[in-house]
Amino acid sequence: QKEVEQNSGPLSVPEGAIASLNCTYSDRGSQSFFWYRQYSGKSPELIMFIYSNGDKEDGRFTAQLNKASQYVSLLIRDSQPSDSATYLCAVGVEKLTFGTGTRLTIIP
Amino acid sequence: DGGITQSPKYLFRKEGQNVTLSCEQNLNHDAMYWYRQDPGQGLRLIYYSQIVNDFQKGDIAEGYSVSREKKESFPLTVTSAQKNPTAFYLCASSMGSRGSNQPQHFGDGTRLSIL
Repeated sequence: QKEVEQNSGPLSVPEGAIASLNCTYSDRGSQSFFWYRQYSGKSPELIMFIYSNGDKEDGRFTAQLNKASQYVSLLIRDSQPSDSATYLCAVGVEKLTFGTGTRLTIIP
Repeated sequence: DGGITQSPKYLFRKEGQNVTLSCEQNLNHDAMYWYRQDPGQGLRLIYYSQIVNDFQKGDIAEGYSVSREKKESFPLTVTSAQKNPTAFYLCASSMGSRGSNQPQHFGDGTRLSIL
């Protein structure tokens, strides 16, 4: 059974600080990694995706992948109250396996 | 305006009744997916389709059925055999077909409840 693990939180971060969200996965052959943001009562929205080891930056968001450690993370710089949401990590090709999500709260 | 449209937004099912959730996309995506989300849990895959007239079971297909007669449409039927259908149902689609690692994008979802 392929597994994706995330700390459920809640993770509280002051406004303007860096939020760091982590995800580990069990399938060593995994090739594609995705981060989704889900506001309460809404559907998931794609934030970032990464396929290669290293960092990928898009605006305030950076995805980091370390396949040797089976670890993927999402950094949010200059955190804003609007970043308060649940962040879902998903792993796989065609069939995605989702983690249960980390609830992030940005404190003004 | 391209996107994925799910309807209805809210649906109520009586005991012993089958209900069908609609999912339509105008993104010209090959692959479409149905997920179920329960409180405090991640998304679980019900069915997926990578090409018209073909679909595969996901991790929790029992009590559900699908069809893919058109590229744009992937309806999900929740049958009376699904004993715990109350959940948030999400439809997604992605470019590319078999073996593709393209990101999946989601519709707004349908909330199904038991009367």
